[in-house]
Amino acid sequence: EAQMVDSGGGLVQPGGSLRLSCAASEFTFDDYALHWVRQGPGKGLEWVAGVNWNGDFKGYADSVRGRFTISRDNAKNSLSLQMNSLRTEDTALYYCAKNILTRHASGTKDAFDIWGQGTLVTVSS
Amino acid sequence: EVVMTQSPATLSLSPGERATLSCRASQSVTSTLAWYQQKPGQAPKLLIYGASTRATGIPARFSGSGSGTEFTLTISSLQSEDFAVYYCQQYNNWPLTFGGGTKVEIK
Repeated sequence: EAQMVDSGGGLVQPGGSLRLSCAASEFTFDDYALHWVRQGPGKGLEWVAGVNWNGDFKGYADSVRGRFTISRDNAKNSLSLQMNSLRTEDTALYYCAKNILTRHASGTKDAFDIWGQGTLVTVSS
Repeated sequence: EVVMTQSPATLSLSPGERATLSCRASQSVTSTLAWYQQKPGQAPKLLIYGASTRATGIPARFSGSGSGTEFTLTISSLQSEDFAVYYCQQYNNWPLTFGGGTKVEIK
């Protein structure tokens, strides 16, 4: 069964950095675009960033552009999110997710069929 | 940015009743619209993509319709496990955007 497992969350001070990771298994990793989605405490879902199948294209929400960097390592079946200059408003549960359709049938934009369990990032002094 | 607006914010219904959830886009997103279900403490679960295609393993009581700017998720007969929060998402334009959610609660 296809699975994604997020990790790397924690408590960080405003202005600090954190790197999230997502390990994938049981699907052909480099066939799919991947994304990060976050959910603030008691709030709805917010798309954060996405990367195409080979890492050549990356998209970001305006709220994180210039501070966050999404990357992938297809040899290791892993996805990362480097988060710098963190703000209190970045506090959220962060999920990794994969496109439902392969790169042969879809671009980077798609619905997400497999999600990680989420990793909590708390930005506070 | 395409703004997704869901209504109502809360829907109070009894098991066995029909649920109709709405999602409106601020501009056309053609049929690139997905619906997710989220229960407390769990990751979102994909129900519908392409506005009307059920994801693998999703029961037939869930159906999606619409195109352009107006979309509907219908649950034909609510089961106990269907009480949850539902989100729509457009994937036609960057940035990808979600609606604010509709909570379906037991009346």
